[in-house]
Amino acid sequence: QSALTQPASVSGSPGQSITISCTGTSSDVGSYDFVSWYQQHSGKAPKLIIYEVGKRPSGVSNRFSGSKSGNTASLTISGLQAEDEADYYCCSYAGSSTFVFGTGTKVTVL
Amino acid sequence: QITLKESGPPLVRPTQTLTLTCAFSGFSLTANGVAVGWIRQPPGKALEWLALIYWNGHQSYSSSLKSRLTITKDTSKNQVVLTMTNMDPVDTGTYYCLHRPDGSTWFDSWGQGTLVTVSS
Repeated sequence: QSALTQPASVSGSPGQSITISCTGTSSDVGSYDFVSWYQQHSGKAPKLIIYEVGKRPSGVSNRFSGSKSGNTASLTISGLQAEDEADYYCCSYAGSSTFVFGTGTKVTVL
Repeated sequence: QITLKESGPPLVRPTQTLTLTCAFSGFSLTANGVAVGWIRQPPGKALEWLALIYWNGHQSYSSSLKSRLTITKDTSKNQVVLTMTNMDPVDTGTYYCLHRPDGSTWFDSWGQGTLVTVSS
């Protein structure tokens, strides 16, 4: 169970769109449409923002969207806002009731 | 409303065993498909999934830490306990308890986390 690979940092100006990639293997991301994404503001617990690749929980802004192709999942934040500055983590089901998280991406709003 | 709260010692000596308790409310761990788990985060580093315990008692563990972890539940007290043996300074971090909705593959509610420092 190696961690999923994410870029260490991504930045954008307010109003822009950014995309964070999450690369796994054929044993996790590539095998299941069970990728979720979490937003973590500094000093806070993570918060679920996307589940099952591209579904949004109630109350999460529709500026957040998710997709997947092969072994790579992606999170897109459109209309970037200052409040989106946070760390983002992907997570994939890895079979046999186990999960694996990504290496995390720090989003900076310029 | 689902709430989870972690508790445990803030400081653990190397080689000791860590015992963390997650007290939860707003759901029952006897409900079909529900699970409670643990994740940790070293200071300034990424999240790491540790373990899950399911409504039916089934347990799953991180393959890299499986030999050191035990997760149990006490449904009468609405608590889940994680023990980790042979603690090392690299195990220092914030440990989070979380809720997995029935049959799902995501975690919709998290505790506030508890910081554990391993040091002599």
